[in-house]
Amino acid sequence: DIVMTQSPDSLAVSLGERATITCKSSQTILYNSNNKHSLGWYQQKPGQPPKLIISWASTRESGVPDRFSGSGSGTDFTLTISSLQAEDVAVYYCQQSYTTPITFGQGTRLEIK
Amino acid sequence: QVLLQQSGPGLVKPSQTLSLTCAISGDSVSTNSTAWNWVRQSPSRGLEWLGRTYYRSKWYHDYAASVRSRITINPDTSKNHFSLQLNSVTPEDTAVYYCSHDFFFRSWGQGTLVTVSA
Repeated sequence: DIVMTQSPDSLAVSLGERATITCKSSQTILYNSNNKHSLGWYQQKPGQPPKLIISWASTRESGVPDRFSGSGSGTDFTLTISSLQAEDVAVYYCQQSYTTPITFGQGTRLEIK
Repeated sequence: QVLLQQSGPGLVKPSQTLSLTCAISGDSVSTNSTAWNWVRQSPSRGLEWLGRTYYRSKWYHDYAASVRSRITINPDTSKNHFSLQLNSVTPEDTAVYYCSHDFFFRSWGQGTLVTVSA
């Protein structure tokens, strides 16, 4: 199985400041047919299902604010929130859809400092 | 936009079968460009993908090894839904269960808290 490891487990950032979450996959998740990494980022708020915010490591989903960005290659990936807003408080997960079993990171809890 | 609506009981007795259904609107369960998944979430196991079904001229199923001997995911083309059956449940199967759509999970059901208890 591909293991997804996120860091840190929790993060406190001041409003307006940058938040950075990293995700490492235990093996490559590069999809050969489109040369993109099969990596998604999700935001989950209490009592709600996760919401896909980034697909293919760097493609922002429709309606997601442009302060959210994804990057990375190989086995190392990053989710960046450029200017933290109060509504961004949530748990963030990475996920690989390269192969089954589909696996998620353990989550990073993002709070306001 | 794909909408998913889950239904099924929230309490199951140990050794019995957990059964949930996910009704689809905005797409067809038999479309040949997507997949239909079940995922569960618990404090001890985090987000855990359980399995999926998808249609590519015939039906395919993939299951997580942790539940492979106990799980069935079935499409129902007449009702445009898909179902989850998990046999021989134990308290460790207590979790919030979600259905979801596609290879990146763009749509999710509302979630069903299933408690396994006598």
